[in-house]
Amino acid sequence: KQEVTQIPAALSVPEGENLVLNCSFTDSAIYNLQWFRQDPGKGLTSLLLIQSSQREQTSGRLNASLDKSSGRSTLYIAASQPGDSATYLCAAPTDSWGKLQFGAGTQVVVTP
Amino acid sequence: DGGITQSPKYLFRKEGQNVTLSCEQNLNHDAMYWYRQDPGQGLRLIYYSQIVNDFQKGDIAEGYSVSREKKESFPLTVTSAQKNPTAFYLCASSRLAGNNEQFFGPGTRLTVL
Repeated sequence: KQEVTQIPAALSVPEGENLVLNCSFTDSAIYNLQWFRQDPGKGLTSLLLIQSSQREQTSGRLNASLDKSSGRSTLYIAASQPGDSATYLCAAPTDSWGKLQFGAGTQVVVTP
Repeated sequence: DGGITQSPKYLFRKEGQNVTLSCEQNLNHDAMYWYRQDPGQGLRLIYYSQIVNDFQKGDIAEGYSVSREKKESFPLTVTSAQKNPTAFYLCASSRLAGNNEQFFGPGTRLTVL
């Protein structure tokens, strides 16, 4: 069974610093990996989806990498802003079409 | 606007009552999902559906029921058999193949009084 881990559980950085968020998964035969953002009391917003054939995916200040051999994905957020404060979750499918296994998330605070 | 709507935003239930949470999507997605989120924990899958009139249990289906009579709608009923229903409930949808990115609704917070 796919297991997904996110460490650390919480992270605080000063504004302007680059953020590095980690996600580990146990089954390297994943089809894709998805990163989400969640604000308090809100639903999840999809940030990036990396297909298994890709090594990286970029959207604006966000860049996600995928290393299947080591079972890791990393989300980089460049030049962090207070508005980036949120919980970030990663999720990997447990089968070919979409059931996701979620990590517990990393809560990020960006201080002005 | 394309997206997923959930209602109500807040729901209060007395002990022994059944309540139904609504989820509607206009993304023309075949697959729909219900997740439960508890404080400090990741999301756990309750039920999912790939096509109309078909659905499967997820990891924590006990005390819940669903229906999928229309492609756009996937309501979740929290029954009195669910021993600890207070939680944040999230509905999602996706395509079945290719880029099966999941999109989420805004959630329903259920509190048992």
